[in-house]
Amino acid sequence: QKEVEQNSGPLSVPEGAIASLNCTYSDRGSQSFFWYRQYSGKSPELIMFIYSNGDKEDGRFTAQLNKASQYVSLLIRDSQPSDSATYLCAVNSPGGYNKLIFGAGTRLAVHP
Amino acid sequence: GAVVSQHPSWVICKSGTSVKIECRSLDFQATTMFWYRQFPKQSLMLMATSNEGSKATYEQGVEKDKFLINHASLTLSTLTVTSAHPEDSSFYICSASPGTANYGYTFGSGTRLTVV
Repeated sequence: QKEVEQNSGPLSVPEGAIASLNCTYSDRGSQSFFWYRQYSGKSPELIMFIYSNGDKEDGRFTAQLNKASQYVSLLIRDSQPSDSATYLCAVNSPGGYNKLIFGAGTRLAVHP
Repeated sequence: GAVVSQHPSWVICKSGTSVKIECRSLDFQATTMFWYRQFPKQSLMLMATSNEGSKATYEQGVEKDKFLINHASLTLSTLTVTSAHPEDSSFYICSASPGTANYGYTFGSGTRLTVV
């Protein structure tokens, strides 16, 4: 079983719709969860982090965490074509250096 | 804040030569930096954790003698790909955090290495 799993997509949504991206992780000791956005040929940029159960909102983005189910999600409201990118879920690996383990990413395509 | 600079952004080298990639934290000190590699259409694979003043910690399957890491100061880590081969062609990215990992890591802009 992979440590961090995401549906590779592509997830195609119309402009203005809500895009829902999901991620599951295997290490129950993980405490910090991150969503990164990566445009083709570019390095990842941090969108949001969350470490408490529940929802966390920042503008059009909402991260949701359910530690009991080992599930993290990202909702993007009012999706725009500029949101088209690969979204990477990352989870901290407990113990020494707190390295991040990344999922394979979900490719999101927002069409006009 | 939390800017990580990576240089060069791209490099082409001949097989058998070595290439050095620099990663600098511009506005914060980074005791720890991370080096990732990403092949086309694949996710980031952690190669190693770079620790200031001590030896790097390599992930399983990563050759430490091939990928030399030096973290000589709190703002600079370097990755040297030694005796590069075409299969080493990839996108190499470093990352660091200004504080605890709970606040995420900032990535450098990446280095696209092509070995011919």
